[in-house]
Amino acid sequence: DSGVTQTPKHLITATGQRVTLRCSPRSGDLSVYWYQQSLDQGLQFLIQYYNGEERAKGNILERFSAQQFPDLHSELNLSSLELGDSALYFCASSVDMGQGYTFGSGTRLTVV
Amino acid sequence: GESVGLHLPTLSVQEGDNSIINCAYSNSASDYFIWYKQESGKGPQFIIDIRSNMDKRQGQRVTVLLNKTVKHLSLQIAATQPGDSAVYFCADLLSGAGSYQLTFGKGTKLSVIP
Repeated sequence: DSGVTQTPKHLITATGQRVTLRCSPRSGDLSVYWYQQSLDQGLQFLIQYYNGEERAKGNILERFSAQQFPDLHSELNLSSLELGDSALYFCASSVDMGQGYTFGSGTRLTVV
Repeated sequence: GESVGLHLPTLSVQEGDNSIINCAYSNSASDYFIWYKQESGKGPQFIIDIRSNMDKRQGQRVTVLLNKTVKHLSLQIAATQPGDSAVYFCADLLSGAGSYQLTFGKGTKLSVIP
């Protein structure tokens, strides 16, 4: 157990729907990062939060959004889902920026 | 685009042999590199890291070498075991404007032949 908790582990939903993925960082970690992993794209950085504030954006679609709450957990919202959004979504956390990240076990999203 | 990339998508080694996984990066300003191991169905797991002021760093059975001149790093695994079978990623930490972004290469799949 890495200490980073992601729920749910698996999610199957239909195109056009909206889902929310949840991440609880390791105790004491202030930064949360979201990554998308698909078969042909590897691990793609989506977005980073530090202590509740958005700090960096990667290749995140406008249909996707995220936030980090005062208790430091984070949620990634995916809307108007398309088949191509099917992927593993990982959350990682670190105590500060610029240090090695600890990853959760991911949420496998399947859009049908 | 990506600032890091891997030379080989797959690598097969005999159990007990040493493994070498290579990675190239393009951003000369990169100053921190990390190797991750990802087993099937799991998240990436930190293996070892190295900062740009170092050429070599050793861990338990693993060594990372950094050649800044040619912007190349490698991961060496000694006495490779079946449990080492996984996909290995190098990652490059880029910083700027108060943020840090870890960029991953596409990964090398290591298969250990018993």
